[in-house]
Amino acid sequence: GAGVSQSPSNKVTEKGKDVELRCDPISGHTALYWYRQRLGQGLEFLIYFQGNSAPDKSGLPSDRFSAERTGGSVSTLTIQRTQQEDSAVYLCASSPGTGDTIQYFGAGTRLSVL
Amino acid sequence: GQQLNQSPQSMFIQEGEDVSMNCTSSSIFNTWLWYKQDPGEGPVLLIALYKAGELTSNGRLTAQFGTTRKDSFLNISASIPSDVGIYFCATLLYNQGGKLIFGQGTELSVKP
Repeated sequence: GAGVSQSPSNKVTEKGKDVELRCDPISGHTALYWYRQRLGQGLEFLIYFQGNSAPDKSGLPSDRFSAERTGGSVSTLTIQRTQQEDSAVYLCASSPGTGDTIQYFGAGTRLSVL
Repeated sequence: GQQLNQSPQSMFIQEGEDVSMNCTSSSIFNTWLWYKQDPGEGPVLLIALYKAGELTSNGRLTAQFGTTRKDSFLNISASIPSDVGIYFCATLLYNQGGKLIFGQGTELSVKP
């Protein structure tokens, strides 16, 4: 597709379950970012990938959060043993390379942990 | 950590009015960005500023990069109903892979 695609658009899960969120970046974009947006808040950086370099995980809030990027394209954000405070919109963005101003965002996955 | 303080948190205005919002930081940044987020969507970049004092327009939107490099403002002239949404300021950390730091957002409501 032409833009960043995220799936699912909505996810409801029970506390303690694991969830996987998927991001398909714009074709050819080497940089991929994950952000979290709590209700009524700005976006918080979680993790970014650039090409084949080791990812910058400095924004991950706990070791329950992890992310992979396979083949330099699709990325999966995994949250293990979900907690109610994990409820938020998780947004993915891609850009042609690190340092480029324009990051193109997907519509996000709204995660609700009951 | 680094933080952007955005104000006001919300605005409720009449169609046709002008709008002004701003963003401040205790740190110096080299880039200021303004994004708009519509409900259920990701943020979309409106304006990017790269130099202290820079004033840039995009249609009815005008943004300025403060001369101290610690602030920026966004003005919207002659607001229309489709201006409704949340406006975020952000800055880009070039030395940290280009990650973005966002303000808390200004929610704009426009009454026809």
